[in-house]
Amino acid sequence: AQRVTQPEKLLSVFKGAPVELKCNYSYSGSPELFWYVQYSRQRLQLLLRHISRESIKGFTADLNKGETSFHLKKPFAQEEDSAMYYCAPPTGNQFYFGTGTSLTVIP
Amino acid sequence: SAVISQKPSRDICQRGTSLTIQCQVDSQVTMMFWYRQQPGQSLTLIATANQGSEATYESGFVIDKFPISRPNLTFSTLTVSNMSPEDSSIYLCSVGGLALIAGNEQFFGPGTRLTVL
Repeated sequence: AQRVTQPEKLLSVFKGAPVELKCNYSYSGSPELFWYVQYSRQRLQLLLRHISRESIKGFTADLNKGETSFHLKKPFAQEEDSAMYYCAPPTGNQFYFGTGTSLTVIP
Repeated sequence: SAVISQKPSRDICQRGTSLTIQCQVDSQVTMMFWYRQQPGQSLTLIATANQGSEATYESGFVIDKFPISRPNLTFSTLTVSNMSPEDSSIYLCSVGGLALIAGNEQFFGPGTRLTVL
């Protein structure tokens, strides 16, 4: 099974501060990873996928094969970034989300 | 992308009863999944709903408790049987393997909030 680990269940940062949400994966090969976000009272939705190397809402995530990590970063956190963030491998027969990190941006 | 709807959006049920949750997608999809999200917890995969065959259940979940149907490529149901207060949770339907989507991401329904008294 392709598994990911998010070591931080809760993370609080001040508005304007940099934020990094950690994600580590534990399988070999060429991983394909995603970050999902769930804002309050909204459905879970895709934030970004590593394969496209995109930046969404100021967030980026770089796959580091040496460290087997896919951390989500944003240089300046905004209050609207407060949400639950999940790291996840691709859809497949065995698909397990990370445990999620609840991000709170303090005004 | 895909538009996914779930019915009901929420329900309050009595212990010992059963509730069937419906998931409808606006396009044909290969994979449909059912998750549970308990308050303050992450997503837990219950099962993969397979079209034309029995669902594939994850460890800790059994067909007698969570029977699933998948009659076609756009629809699935999850039944929570003989409910107890411990079944109170949000149940999410998701889809993946969309024919027109190159990536392997999932799209989620809005969820069904179940409270068992």
